[in-house]
Amino acid sequence: NAGVMQNPRHLVRRRGQEARLRCSPMKGHSHVYWYRQLPEEGLKFMVYLQKENIIDESGMPKERFSAEFPKEGPSILRIQQVVRGDSAAYFCASSHGRQGGKETQYFGPGTRLLVL
Amino acid sequence: KNQVEQSPQSLIILEGKNCTLQCNYTVSPFSNLRWYKQDTGRGPVSLTIMTFSENTKSNGRYTATLDADTKQSSLHITASQLSDSASYICVVSFTGRRALTFGSGTRLQVQP
Repeated sequence: NAGVMQNPRHLVRRRGQEARLRCSPMKGHSHVYWYRQLPEEGLKFMVYLQKENIIDESGMPKERFSAEFPKEGPSILRIQQVVRGDSAAYFCASSHGRQGGKETQYFGPGTRLLVL
Repeated sequence: KNQVEQSPQSLIILEGKNCTLQCNYTVSPFSNLRWYKQDTGRGPVSLTIMTFSENTKSNGRYTATLDADTKQSSLHITASQLSDSASYICVVSFTGRRALTFGSGTRLQVQP
């Protein structure tokens, strides 16, 4: 059973370009979470999605960032017009959704975004 | 102020020794507390999950304790191994929310 898959593992963008990060949850999981880890800091929650729905986006910056989890295919975190401060590791986690807030969130290996 | 504080920030121990990592949190209302292990360049891996009614939870050589009254938790690692070298992160969630609140972690280095 494959774990959470993220790609690309490393992404380099110039300021002003778009970054598109993909996350495939574990098989059977319908809940996806995105977290950001800035250098030398802890992970920070960004957004929580179920299939085709955004449930909690309280940690998402108001501008330039968007997320989706379509009925088919991976979840996508999209960053438009990237700036140097967006350089970070972006982690995706998934869960099956049957145990509410107590269930384990399984993390992917992360995408390391570097903005030049 | 961070809602989850961990200490020490870093720790070096010799292989075979035990160690205890500390976590204080101010998250309220509190739902559950987790400890994760994160190897360099990898995603976090869950070690334990405890609700407010649980005092202790073990996973092999890892034992977590929780005092919901004082809002403190500890992670005890027994008979450390070189592969235990990693960051150990205390993670708390609010009641009714699935979003996790992470501490900054304790960086543990086990030396031969």
